[in-house]
Amino acid sequence: GAVVSQHPSWVICKSGTSVKIECRSLDFQATTMFWYRQFPKQSLMLMATSNEGSKATYEQGVEKDKFLINHASLTLSTLTVTSAHPEDSSFYICSALPLANTYYEQFFGPGTRLTVL
Amino acid sequence: RKEVEQDPGPFNVPEGATVAFNCTYSNSASQSFFWYRQDCRKEPKLLMSVYSSGNEDGRFTAQLNRASQYISLLIRDSKLSDSATYLCVVSSGGYNKLIFGAGTRLAVHP
Repeated sequence: GAVVSQHPSWVICKSGTSVKIECRSLDFQATTMFWYRQFPKQSLMLMATSNEGSKATYEQGVEKDKFLINHASLTLSTLTVTSAHPEDSSFYICSALPLANTYYEQFFGPGTRLTVL
Repeated sequence: RKEVEQDPGPFNVPEGATVAFNCTYSNSASQSFFWYRQDCRKEPKLLMSVYSSGNEDGRFTAQLNRASQYISLLIRDSKLSDSATYLCVVSSGGYNKLIFGAGTRLAVHP
């Protein structure tokens, strides 16, 4: 149980294009999903908290107009990197918090490796 | 000061060795504690949740000391497959936000 998928697993795009990443909880419902970014040899940094049916909460320093988050259902959240630039190249990972979870363990998707040329 | 601090390693140990990782956290309001394992270019996977009474799962033992704001992970009888980066993770005061340590790299050699 507690499987989270992400799509695509990797993407290469030109500078200036937008990229959409999907995060799905496959066998459980999640009112809360999280988006992280990880640069090489660094730890995961939380970008935003996504709540079903409401606006995402962004961490300090993360541009909400650049990283658009939509959490339309209890099993799907999407992150759109708008007008991507080479400095946005990173490993983007989502996680989901199961509804019935009492200790707040998050389960992670396999990540999306974004390369912006 | 970082919210979650870990020794970055790397720890290079032979198979069969016992290795211990330490972690300290700064937010005394933290309520949930975890060890995650991350393999190269992969997502983190939950290894263990850490409870106040300490807990064990096979070769892995986790301890929590709230007074000292200290968490540990002990791996006994190391296997080659244990080679990975071990992430100490602590909830923020709001429970559902997780703060990740930078990770401790473990390399187990034959």
